[in-house]
Amino acid sequence: GENVEQHPSTLSVQEGDSAVIKCTYSDSASNYFPWYKQELGKRPQLIIDIRSNVGEKKDQRIAVTLNKTAKHFSLHITETQPEDSAVYFCAANQAGTALIFGKGTTLSVSS
Amino acid sequence: KAGVTQTPRYLIKTRGQQVTLSCSPISGHRSVSWYQQTPGQGLQFLFEYFSETQRNKGNFPGRFSGRQFSNSRSEMNVSTLELGDSALYLCASSLYVDTGELFFGEGSRLTVL
Repeated sequence: GENVEQHPSTLSVQEGDSAVIKCTYSDSASNYFPWYKQELGKRPQLIIDIRSNVGEKKDQRIAVTLNKTAKHFSLHITETQPEDSAVYFCAANQAGTALIFGKGTTLSVSS
Repeated sequence: KAGVTQTPRYLIKTRGQQVTLSCSPISGHRSVSWYQQTPGQGLQFLFEYFSETQRNKGNFPGRFSGRQFSNSRSEMNVSTLELGDSALYLCASSLYVDTGELFFGEGSRLTVL
């Protein structure tokens, strides 16, 4: 089955800096790669996703890149703000299979 | 539209007991997945149901079981509880059969003493 590795496990940045979180997956058949954000005490919520037919997707200050050959994808957050502080999870799957998550990255943005 | 509802939100059990957790998905969503969340382990997949059928199952012992009813509501059961079962159990529903956004509930926090 699918296995997703996520790095780093913790990340501290200054407000205004960029943050990058990287994930690798094992199943070359996976074609859907979402990212979820979980604020302290809240439920995980989807912030952006990408499918294997594109290499990059952007939504305001966040972007995701996908390298299918290397089987890795990354989340990029620019101009970080204190409200970006949360746990971020990457995930991967294909149709008919379970969505498998990485172990999460705790992002801390200090002002 | 109401979100995913999980009950109970908090519960305390002792080792050896069993527990049943309930999840009501968003209206119209027929796919329900369950995850166990513990510090450092992230979101570990338990099961996925669609139209009352278990479609996928994670690597958890047989003490963990689930089911889905005709109205898409789902329950999961853990028998013979162990200390290591203490966790936040999250339910998520999805509109899509295949890949797509999961909408999570607030979770049921289980403490096993």
